Amino acid sequence: AQTVTQSQPEMSVQEAETVTLSCTYDTSENNYYLFWYKQPPSRQMILVIRQEAYKQQNATENRFSVNFQKAAKSFSLKISDSQLGDTAMYFCAFMKSYSGTYKYIFGTGTRLKVLA
Amino acid sequence: KAGVTQTPRYLIKTRGQQVTLSCSPISGHRSVSWYQQTPGQGLQFLFEYFSETQRNKGNFPGRFSGRQFSNSRSEMNVSTLELGDSALYLCASSLGQGLSEQYFGPGTRLTVT
Repeated sequence: AQTVTQSQPEMSVQEAETVTLSCTYDTSENNYYLFWYKQPPSRQMILVIRQEAYKQQNATENRFSVNFQKAAKSFSLKISDSQLGDTAMYFCAFMKSYSGTYKYIFGTGTRLKVLA
Repeated sequence: KAGVTQTPRYLIKTRGQQVTLSCSPISGHRSVSWYQQTPGQGLQFLFEYFSETQRNKGNFPGRFSGRQFSNSRSEMNVSTLELGDSALYLCASSLGQGLSEQYFGPGTRLTVT
């Protein structure tokens, strides 16, 4: 069975600094997708970035980038130039599509606080 | 396009009662998934509906049930509420086919006393 582990329950970073959130997963599948979701204190979960496992190139979205290490089953999120609005809960998620349906598994989240 | 909406946003119920939560997906999305979010447990998958059929189910007791209507709106029902059912219930919609990113609603905060 697939599992997703986020080993950092809480983190803090100074405004304008860089922070990396870690995520590891366990799967025997070869083709899958990985996501980072952000849940600000207002609770609406939004997609930050996604990575297809078959792509070797790390995904990047503005200040957000990932370090995807498929062999190590690691999928970390790097936030550059941290802003106060980045304060949120961040969830790593694994998704596998199969037989006309799909399965999402989420980690337990990392609470990030950006300090002024 | 309007986002995913969930009603009600807050709910307080007594142990033993039942509750129905509603979710309206993004227009054109045919898949609706439900999650239970509690501190320390993250998001636990409840079930997923696609075109009015339950396609996927998590490991929750039969007290948790759902359905989807022809307009893709979905409802989730919890019967015989227990204190441990207190949680944030999130609904997510997606196209449901291929690489289908999920878009989440704001959630319904259920408190069972």
